[in-house]
Amino acid sequence: QSVLTQPPSVSATPGQKVTISCSGSSSNIGNDYVSWYQQLPGTAPKLLIYDNNNRPSGIPDRFSGSKSGTSATLGITGLQTGDEADYYCGTWDSRLKAVVFGGGTKLTVL
Amino acid sequence: EVQVVESGGGLVQPGESLRLSCAASGFTFSDHYMDWVRQTPGKGLEWVGRSRNKPKGYTTDYAASVKGRFTVSRDDSKNSVYLQMNSLKTEDTAVYYCVRVDYNNYGHYFDHWGQGTLVTVSS
Repeated sequence: QSVLTQPPSVSATPGQKVTISCSGSSSNIGNDYVSWYQQLPGTAPKLLIYDNNNRPSGIPDRFSGSKSGTSATLGITGLQTGDEADYYCGTWDSRLKAVVFGGGTKLTVL
Repeated sequence: EVQVVESGGGLVQPGESLRLSCAASGFTFSDHYMDWVRQTPGKGLEWVGRSRNKPKGYTTDYAASVKGRFTVSRDDSKNSVYLQMNSLKTEDTAVYYCVRVDYNNYGHYFDHWGQGTLVTVSS
């Protein structure tokens, strides 16, 4: 059972938009910044979004992040088959004194 | 180019110990926190532990599941971070990633990941 809650899976067709939610509490998302990671099959995770809504260089603006209260959302527009991956949210939990992740969301582009 | 490369994984029996190493290059190692994150095959990410930098007193933090058994240490002169794993359990079987932590005046985040090293704990 992960501290942060994500839907196990989402799906959409190429070109569409999808959102992935990440729900936490006042000791984690409500108290710190959220980052998002993309893990393509067979590879290490890669940073997608940091500080709630910032993209590292090289990440297309099709990817966006937002945060409100104790929840965060990753948005992906103009879906491509290459976006099929597992997506994880993460942040620091001040009560646990630990980094916490969501359980991951598998994105399928039909 | 920033690189982090893990080594030291392998097959061990329950109760045994193993030490993972992570060699970093392409950045000022001493400026950064370094973490370990693991992933059980087919499952999600689990944070293992953190080594902070000198300004933060080289302090460490651990996940509850490994506290008292695992130790993260670093050697800034060798640009390396280590994970000493004692009293290993079958549930510690996972791919272990060494991760650079970055900070941009707001939150901390994992901006560079190693390729991972597999640790299998089995009799």
